[in-house]
Amino acid sequence: DQQVKQNSPSLSVQEGRISILNCDYTNSMFDYFLWYKKYPAEGPTFLISISSIKDKNEDGRFTVFLNKSAKHLSLHIVPSQPGDSAVYFCAATEPNTNAGKSTFGDGTTLTVKP
Amino acid sequence: KAGVTQTPRYLIKTRGQQVTLSCSPISGHRSVSWYQQTPGQGLQFLFEYFSETQRNKGNFPGRFSGRQFSNSRSEMNVSTLELGDSALYLCASSLGTGIIGEKLFFGSGTQLSVL
Repeated sequence: DQQVKQNSPSLSVQEGRISILNCDYTNSMFDYFLWYKKYPAEGPTFLISISSIKDKNEDGRFTVFLNKSAKHLSLHIVPSQPGDSAVYFCAATEPNTNAGKSTFGDGTTLTVKP
Repeated sequence: KAGVTQTPRYLIKTRGQQVTLSCSPISGHRSVSWYQQTPGQGLQFLFEYFSETQRNKGNFPGRFSGRQFSNSRSEMNVSTLELGDSALYLCASSLGTGIIGEKLFFGSGTQLSVL
């Protein structure tokens, strides 16, 4: 039973436009959500996160939205740049659970075309 | 600060052999976790070590084991390798405090190919 799902394996957008990456979860105990970005031949790096007590968190061009009732979160990148082309993983943790035991989705490969 | 270091970067083994992967966490981080990534799949949690003790374990067979040393360095061992064990193995370190908001710092991974 996959508790974190990223239903779109890939997404292609034009440079300068908005990229929207989606993530759904089934475990209502999750209280913290993170997005990681992964380039080829490198490990994932932290991008942005959101606590379940918030519905939005913004960091520069990146904004994460959380809809707890729908158990859905999304990552918006505006404007998208070619350097944003990477695999994006959504991850979640439960209360009193260490970050080391995060639950990850399958990832979405974003391609930003110049 | 130096990042998370994993060795080796690439490994080729044959079925039935065993393999040991190594991970050095960021200085001061006491938690080391291991994840498996296969094509088309997300990161599957293997186990987490904290202060030399396995604190959490994922749903992998007993052929997958690990340990952590007093300097927080960790090793992962896979015995009796199977073709399906071919994957990218990622190590991640964190402070391990359990405080909400903690994030993981990943190494570049070890790409294991089982022939």
